[in-house]
Amino acid sequence: SYVLTQPPSVSVAPGQTARITCGGNNIGTKAVHWYQQKPGQAPVLLVYDDSDRPSGIPARFSGSNSGDTATLTISRVEAGDEADYYCQMWDSSSDQRVFGTGTQVTVL
Amino acid sequence: EVQLVESGGGLVQPGGSLRVSCAASGFTFSDHEMNWVRQVPGKGLEWISYITKDGSVVYYADSVRGRFSISRHNADNSLFLQMNSLRAEDTAVYYCAREATFGVAAFDSWGQGTLVTVSS
Repeated sequence: SYVLTQPPSVSVAPGQTARITCGGNNIGTKAVHWYQQKPGQAPVLLVYDDSDRPSGIPARFSGSNSGDTATLTISRVEAGDEADYYCQMWDSSSDQRVFGTGTQVTVL
Repeated sequence: EVQLVESGGGLVQPGGSLRVSCAASGFTFSDHEMNWVRQVPGKGLEWISYITKDGSVVYYADSVRGRFSISRHNADNSLFLQMNSLRAEDTAVYYCAREATFGVAAFDSWGQGTLVTVSS
């Protein structure tokens, strides 16, 4: 089955930019979505189809996808961005939905 | 307001069965494909099952295929997951998640989850 690999953790200072990667074989040909999950809460959709944002999601959250890596970028990081982040896609070869391994973002 | 409310979680012995439910409100349930996603406490998200709008097509993760069964009842806006032959490794919070009408299999609404504990 398709595997999506994320770094376990990313640390960033307030006001700086955090980049979270999601690696997969030819992931650039897939539509990738990103979720934020805070402790004790359900995940929230941040970015869909590589780079689109649902209504209500700040423009500080952006996404890109090319080759074997998709990336979620958080600009002007705030303390409230401290959370776990997951990428996700649909594997058309198996009709399964697949989540990445998850990345914990720490705001220093 | 879109709401998804899971119920039915609890403690069950290994080898036992349990059915969890998801009650949907605030949107036209039959317009959306639905999924179950689980999360072992302290671990990552794992997709486990999908069902089409009319319930005619279902898919499962390898880890649960043959033991779990997803279904839905559009008349009363409900989604179900029947779990049989439960194992300790099935212990997790189970979320129902709605697929958006935009995007490719993006989950735009989630319930708060129900905890299933498999232990003797």
